[in-house]
Amino acid sequence: KAGVTQTPRYLIKTRGQQVTLSCSPISGHRSVSWYQQTPGQGLQFLFEYFSETQRNKGNFPGRFSGRQFSNSRSEMNVSTLELGDSALYLCASSSRDRGLPEQYFGPGTRLTVT
Amino acid sequence: AQSVAQPEDQVNVAEGNPLTVKCTYSVSGNPYLFWYVQYPNRGLQFLLKYITGDNLVKGSYGFEAEFNKSQTSFHLKKPSALVSDSALYFCAVRDIILTGGGNKLTFGTGTQLKVEL
Repeated sequence: KAGVTQTPRYLIKTRGQQVTLSCSPISGHRSVSWYQQTPGQGLQFLFEYFSETQRNKGNFPGRFSGRQFSNSRSEMNVSTLELGDSALYLCASSSRDRGLPEQYFGPGTRLTVT
Repeated sequence: AQSVAQPEDQVNVAEGNPLTVKCTYSVSGNPYLFWYVQYPNRGLQFLLKYITGDNLVKGSYGFEAEFNKSQTSFHLKKPSALVSDSALYFCAVRDIILTGGGNKLTFGTGTQLKVEL
């Protein structure tokens, strides 16, 4: 099976702009989670989608949003970018809605805000 | 709130020697614990998980982890380290989500493993 794919791999944006990142989960996986990784804050959970519904949300401002499509692909959007949004954004998918499946991560999108 | 701690920012070990990367946890209820590895400019790769059962969990690439309830620890081990094991290792705990299920992980700060010849 193909792994989790994320596009684009690298992005450079300017403060105040908005950005959309895309994630395609492993075939058959219906749960998609997003994480932000920074040197200062480490890995932090953004949100999780399952069957097109946001199931859980982390402690991020409303500028961070996401959605999931019927084919389980997911997008996250960050509006009004700030310098502190520069990070590696990781997407992960899981095979089951309950139980304790492991999450499989994509390679990430490196966002740089200037 | 649930949390995991990785007390060492970096661990150095010689190739061929055993390695240990430490992790302690704080949870209410049963802990569901994971180890992931991250290579430069890559995402996280799943190594192993502890749900229940045997305290020694075997995972990918020859890694194993020992769950110790009394010490609230979940240390990652490998009998013989390879230079190619050099990477950033993360311990994680699955948050208990009371309704609706869900897959939310809380990660430790990571431990950089350096294996030298």
